[in-house]
Amino acid sequence: SQKIEQNSEALNIQEGKTATLTCNYTNYSPAYLQWYRQDPGRGPVFLLLIRENEKEKRKERLKVTFDTTLKQSLFHITASQPADSATYLCALEGIFTGRRALTFGSGTRLQVQP
Amino acid sequence: DTEVTQTPKHLVMGMTNKKSLKCEQHMGHRAMYWYKQKAKKPPELMFVYSYEKLSINESVPSRFSPECPNSSLLNLHLHALQPEDSALYLCASSQPRAGQGSYNSPLHFGNGTRLTVT
Repeated sequence: SQKIEQNSEALNIQEGKTATLTCNYTNYSPAYLQWYRQDPGRGPVFLLLIRENEKEKRKERLKVTFDTTLKQSLFHITASQPADSATYLCALEGIFTGRRALTFGSGTRLQVQP
Repeated sequence: DTEVTQTPKHLVMGMTNKKSLKCEQHMGHRAMYWYKQKAKKPPELMFVYSYEKLSINESVPSRFSPECPNSSLLNLHLHALQPEDSALYLCASSQPRAGQGSYNSPLHFGNGTRLTVT
């Protein structure tokens, strides 16, 4: 069966350090992968999309890598700040009744300590 | 604030009640979605509308009835819900990839309706 796995343990880091979150998947062949941020009680917010033929994508302090051989994406936040504390979700296209739509990993909670 | 507006923010209803959740977007997106999210779980897809037509119904019980009156509005009608239906209901919109049956463009989510069924 299809699975998207993110580290369910919260990630605690010190302000200024680089946070690295992992997304592993099985039985998917995604054309691209997306990352979202979700704060408590709010909807997810889209951050980045990376295509299967892109090894790396950057946006300000964010960097995403995508390794289709390892079936893994890494999400990095450099120079992390307490305001980066949130749950980060990866999302892939899954098959729903013959059509494709996004399915989400369970997310990793990031806590940045001042 | 998001560009997808959901009302109400909170809803408490009994198992015999009928209520509706509403969602509105003015970004010109032609795909709209309902997701359900339980605490500490990922959002789970319920329905997708594309160009106001139901495209995906992910085996959702009939006590949930979606409606898309026009390209900007999406409703979810609720009737005879169970306590286990208590969750955060998220609406989202995107541009569909027309003709490919593929709904994996970046999603714009509202902040959800927190539903409690008593």
